[in-house]
Amino acid sequence: DVKVTQSSRYLVKRTGEKVFLECVQDMDHENMFWYRQDPGLGLRLIYFSYDVKMKEKGDIPEGYSVSREKKERFSLILESASTNQTSMYLCASSFAGLAHEQYFGPGTRLTVT
Amino acid sequence: AQKITQTQPGMFVQEKEAVTLDCTYDTSDQSYGLFWYKQPSSGEMIFLIYQGSYDEQNATEGRYSLNFQKARKSTNLVISASQLGDSAMYFCAMREGKITGGGNKLTFGTGTQLKVEL
Repeated sequence: DVKVTQSSRYLVKRTGEKVFLECVQDMDHENMFWYRQDPGLGLRLIYFSYDVKMKEKGDIPEGYSVSREKKERFSLILESASTNQTSMYLCASSFAGLAHEQYFGPGTRLTVT
Repeated sequence: AQKITQTQPGMFVQEKEAVTLDCTYDTSDQSYGLFWYKQPSSGEMIFLIYQGSYDEQNATEGRYSLNFQKARKSTNLVISASQLGDSAMYFCAMREGKITGGGNKLTFGTGTQLKVEL
């Protein structure tokens, strides 16, 4: 079974803190993705990576950065957390190619106070 | 730019009845893939079914099937014989045709909340 794990299910941080969200997949997928999910807005892509050290901005990259030093691990970094970054964060991975579905992690509910 | 539209924020269906969830998309690509995911209240995203733009047959997977109308750019999900466990949020998503780089990302709709009643 494909497994995508995220470092925390729930996280509470203060405004201005640096926040790291970690994602690990065990299926040797080329692609990894970070989304945020907010009510009424669906899933919005923050960043994705199609290879080690390769990254591309998604639809809402402002205020975020990412790191992919190893194929199985993709980190999302909030350099200085703000209250409008309170959200559910979902990591996903997939093989390259049109027909391959993305496998999702359980999500991290981040609250910034 | 691609866009996915799900116009039904909420739907109700009686147990054992069939239900159709609507999804329209907008792309200028000839080659693309369409996906449906289910998200129960527990939060995990579960892949349900896939349709490629060049597939001639409508995709089916158990109780899930797609009514794919390419000319109308719609791909509606049909759930037959609804069960209480089908109550969840359902998302439609599209991937454009390039294999590398930006071609791997999915664009999601805003979802339809389905509630199955006794």
